[in-house]
Amino acid sequence: ETGVTQTPRHLVMGMTNKKSLKCEQHLGHNAMYWYKQSAKKPLELMFVYNFKEQTENNSVPSRFSPECPNSSHLFLHLHTLQPEDSALYLCASTPGGANTEAFFGQGTRLTVV
Amino acid sequence: GESVGLHLPTLSVQEGDNSIINCAYSNSASDYFIWYKQESGKGPQFIIDIRSNMDKRQGQRVTVLLNKTVKHLSLQIAATQPGDSAVYFCAENNGMGNYGQNFVFGPGTRLSVLP
Repeated sequence: ETGVTQTPRHLVMGMTNKKSLKCEQHLGHNAMYWYKQSAKKPLELMFVYNFKEQTENNSVPSRFSPECPNSSHLFLHLHTLQPEDSALYLCASTPGGANTEAFFGQGTRLTVV
Repeated sequence: GESVGLHLPTLSVQEGDNSIINCAYSNSASDYFIWYKQESGKGPQFIIDIRSNMDKRQGQRVTVLLNKTVKHLSLQIAATQPGDSAVYFCAENNGMGNYGQNFVFGPGTRLSVLP
């Protein structure tokens, strides 16, 4: 248990569906992240939020929409996804400041059909 | 066309032997590096980190070596155990100052421990 909780653990959705992934951290960290881990590529950074403000959008398609209502919660809203978006989506958090380890959640295994 | 998965290098070691996992990084300006372990069905778990002003750091049964000249990291695991079987990732921090971390991950190495 790393203190970062993701729900759901597994999600199957159709290409016309809208769903949301949720991440919650209980570590008092200031920064939260979404990563994508697919079978074809290494872990890829998608979004970074620092003190609820988005500080990085790594050229992610608009069908992925993040939301960070406070420093403890992070959402990833999904709509009109493609089968190639099937992957493990990982949330992570870090304390404030530079050069600190990232704490990861268990991930949401997403399958787009 | 047929999709092809990421081909992970695999290291097979006998239980009790030492393991060495290597990683090349790309950004000579990176100043912080981490090794993560990922077991099946779980998120990456921190193992050990090292800053660029060091060339070696030891933890419990693990040692990380950093060679900045050739941009190379290695993870040494002493007396490898079955519970060490997992995929191991190195990550370099390309830096965002105080606005968060920009970790760039390697493709990973799968470690299999043989009984």
